[in-house]
Amino acid sequence: QVQMVESGGGVVQPGRSLRLSCAASGFIFSNYGLYWVRQAPGKGLEWLTVISYDGSNKYYADSVKGRFTISRDNSKDTLYLQMNSLRVDDTAVYYCANLQPHGDSPFDYWGRGTLVTVSS
Amino acid sequence: DIQMTQSPPSLSASVGDRVTITCRASQDIRNDLSWYQQKPGKAPKRLIYGASSLQSGVPSRFSGSGSGTEFTLTISSLQPEDFATYYCLQHISYVWTFGQGTKVEVK
Repeated sequence: QVQMVESGGGVVQPGRSLRLSCAASGFIFSNYGLYWVRQAPGKGLEWLTVISYDGSNKYYADSVKGRFTISRDNSKDTLYLQMNSLRVDDTAVYYCANLQPHGDSPFDYWGRGTLVTVSS
Repeated sequence: DIQMTQSPPSLSASVGDRVTITCRASQDIRNDLSWYQQKPGKAPKRLIYGASSLQSGVPSRFSGSGSGTEFTLTISSLQPEDFATYYCLQHISYVWTFGQGTKVEVK
């Protein structure tokens, strides 16, 4: 069955960096664009970024543009999120996801999330 | 970027009630909208795609309508397991955006 498992979260000081990973299985990883979505404690969902199936196209929400970088390694079925210049308001649960809302059989796969806490 | 304005932020309802949640887009998004349900500590789950199509496995008491800039999620008869937070998500542009969420609470 499909699994998406995030790792790399933890506590980090403001201004520092962190890299999240998302190991996927159960689907043909290299066929799909993939996403990161976050949720600050007690707040709503925030779409962050997408990377195309081959890594050639990437798009970002304004809140993370220039600080976060999405990437993927199709040989390892792994998605990444490099987070630089972290701020206190980046504290959130970060989800990786395979969101396919179009076509005849749209589907959604989400990880369980990894918590990033930015605090001095 | 496209902004999604969702209302109300919260509502109180009883089992059996009809519940309606609205999302308004800052520009025409045709029918490129999904509705999600999220329960505490869990990842979101899609209920509706294409503004009005029911995701496989989702109960028929959930329905979506609208196109362009105005969209509605309706729960025809609220069940105990439906108390949760609901979000709309536009996916017409390269940069997607969620609505702010609507928390459906017990009256």
